[in-house]
Amino acid sequence: DIQMTQSPSSVSASVGDRVTITCRASQSISSWLAWYQQKPGKAPNLLIYAASSLESGVPSRFSGTGSGTDFTLTISSLQPEDFATYYCQQANSFPLTFGGGTKVEIK
Amino acid sequence: QVQLVESGGGVVQPGRSLRLSCEASGFIFSSYGMHWVRQAPGKGLEWVSFISYDGSNTDYADSVKGRFTISRDKSKNTLYLQMNSLRAEDTAIYYCAKQILGYRGITHYWGQGALVTVPS
Repeated sequence: DIQMTQSPSSVSASVGDRVTITCRASQSISSWLAWYQQKPGKAPNLLIYAASSLESGVPSRFSGTGSGTDFTLTISSLQPEDFATYYCQQANSFPLTFGGGTKVEIK
Repeated sequence: QVQLVESGGGVVQPGRSLRLSCEASGFIFSSYGMHWVRQAPGKGLEWVSFISYDGSNTDYADSVKGRFTISRDKSKNTLYLQMNSLRAEDTAIYYCAKQILGYRGITHYWGQGALVTVPS
């Protein structure tokens, strides 16, 4: 199985900050990576797919980069509604696997 | 608009069975692969199972293989998850999710979730 390792597990940031979350795959997954945002009590929401493609309706302050084993999600200017938990997920092969999550908290 | 509505959750004793349903609307159900993903209380996301658009291909997490069965009924626009031999570690919110066309394994619409509780 492909292991997905996210870092950091949590980050404290202020509104307007630039936030970067990294995700590392245990083997190459090409660009078969997605990023999801989840708020408490809600289902996850797709932000980025194919490593760098922005899902329709997602603000442009979210961006994704990377290929192979190393990937990054960047929020260019953190907004109040962005405080949530973020997960990466590989879609290269079954079983699909998620990273452990990164909680973005208010500083 | 796309809607996915799960039902069938509840409290079930270890070793017993439960069937979850996910009623889909707002899209051509028979054209899309579908997934089940679960989340134990306070924990991260765990993929559970996949079924192809026509039901011909399925896949499962090792943790549920041999106990859970995914299926779909195109006449009812409904996805199912039959869960047998339930264990305490199966306690979770179960989400059904619609796969993006052309992007295997990536989902862009999720239901609200169904809570399954298996007491230890």
